[in-house]
Amino acid sequence: GEDVEQSLFLSVREGDSSVINCTYTDSSSTYLYWYKQEPGAGLQLLTYIFSNMDMKQDQRLTVLLNKKDKHLSLRIADTQTGDSAIYFCAETRDPGGADGLTFGKGTHLIIQP
Amino acid sequence: DSGVTQTPKHLITATGQRVTLRCSPRSGDLSVYWYQQSLDQGLQFLIQYYNGEERAKGNILERFSAQQFPDLHSELNLSSLELGDSALYFCASSVGQRRDQPQHFGDGTRLSIL
Repeated sequence: GEDVEQSLFLSVREGDSSVINCTYTDSSSTYLYWYKQEPGAGLQLLTYIFSNMDMKQDQRLTVLLNKKDKHLSLRIADTQTGDSAIYFCAETRDPGGADGLTFGKGTHLIIQP
Repeated sequence: DSGVTQTPKHLITATGQRVTLRCSPRSGDLSVYWYQQSLDQGLQFLIQYYNGEERAKGNILERFSAQQFPDLHSELNLSSLELGDSALYFCASSVGQRRDQPQHFGDGTRLSIL
């Protein structure tokens, strides 16, 4: 299976909360990131969490990490039309390891008016 | 604006040709990473340089090569191009070479092979 898995699509109403989920397979994954990609644009770093944390909050964004289930989620409060984008979950493993970021396929967030 | 600059934004060429993609990292960043984004493979890590030295290799084809220059800009060279090389190529940079230092991405170069 894939190293990092995400649902392809998520549709939410404007003003509601969006929860984008991600699962990873490697228990040695120690650094987990969320990136946002708008149409025709590059990847914007949204937030990240290290494996010694369970939760991280940054304004409208909340990241939850469940190490036991290898599950990561990104919650966007009060979802706006400008949040419409593809959201990528990415992992890295040991800092001394020789690999770059491993990305999921991305979740398309669709905002309904 | 991430501070990472990639040129050109778009590149159209033919099979068998060779192209060079250029990346200028954020001011102060010593590491440069290259990624390929395609519809079938998604985002894949290609290669990383740190302060001029190759640091890590991912799924980079032998037809592809990269280097990082003393001024820290990097170039990705793609040769003997095939239709399947059509993709968006991203450069990212980070302060150092540790994986816990976040990578910041440029806007990418879209390569189209005709």
